[in-house]
Amino acid sequence: GENVEQHPSTLSVQEGDSAVIKCTYSDSASNYFPWYKQELGKRPQLIIDIRSNVGEKKDQRIAVTLNKTAKHFSLHITETQPEDSAVYFCAASGGGGADGLTFGKGTHLIIQP
Amino acid sequence: GAVVSQHPSWVICKSGTSVKIECRSLDFQATTMFWYRQFPKQSLMLMATSNEGSKATYEQGVEKDKFLINHASLTLSTLTVTSAHPEDSSFYICSARVSGGQQFFGPGTRLTVL
Repeated sequence: GENVEQHPSTLSVQEGDSAVIKCTYSDSASNYFPWYKQELGKRPQLIIDIRSNVGEKKDQRIAVTLNKTAKHFSLHITETQPEDSAVYFCAASGGGGADGLTFGKGTHLIIQP
Repeated sequence: GAVVSQHPSWVICKSGTSVKIECRSLDFQATTMFWYRQFPKQSLMLMATSNEGSKATYEQGVEKDKFLINHASLTLSTLTVTSAHPEDSSFYICSARVSGGQQFFGPGTRLTVL
């Protein structure tokens, strides 16, 4: 089955700086890679996703890059703000998202004022 | 965006009893829903895939006789934790898939088994 590794487990950055979270996956058949933000006790919120036919996707301060050959994808957050503080999960699935998601272990992002 | 609800939001039960959790897609039809479990400070783990009108598909290590899933309509899937024990205490989250592959999550149900 799929295995998703996520690093780092904790990331502390100064407000206004950029944050990068990296994930690798094992199953070359995976073709859908979403990123979720989860605040304590709340549901995961989809913040951006990318499919395997695209190398990069951007939405305002958030971007995701995908390297299919190396089987890794990264989340980039620029101009970080205090409200970006949360736990971020990467995930992977096959079937264009039709399959269940395999999640990374999560990254606790802390934005220092 | 797509809205998914869950009920109840939290439940406390005695060991040995059964608990039913409902997952509803409020503004769209979902032929496929998923059930995840999340222990404190851990990631989400897929338990099973729930398909409308057919049997659920369980992940390896998840007991299908203990976690009963029913997907009777295009907007409702239920998870019943049978003979619950303290080790079943967890945050149970469902998701529903929209066309295009995105999954939207319910708010979760916190189960505490005494």
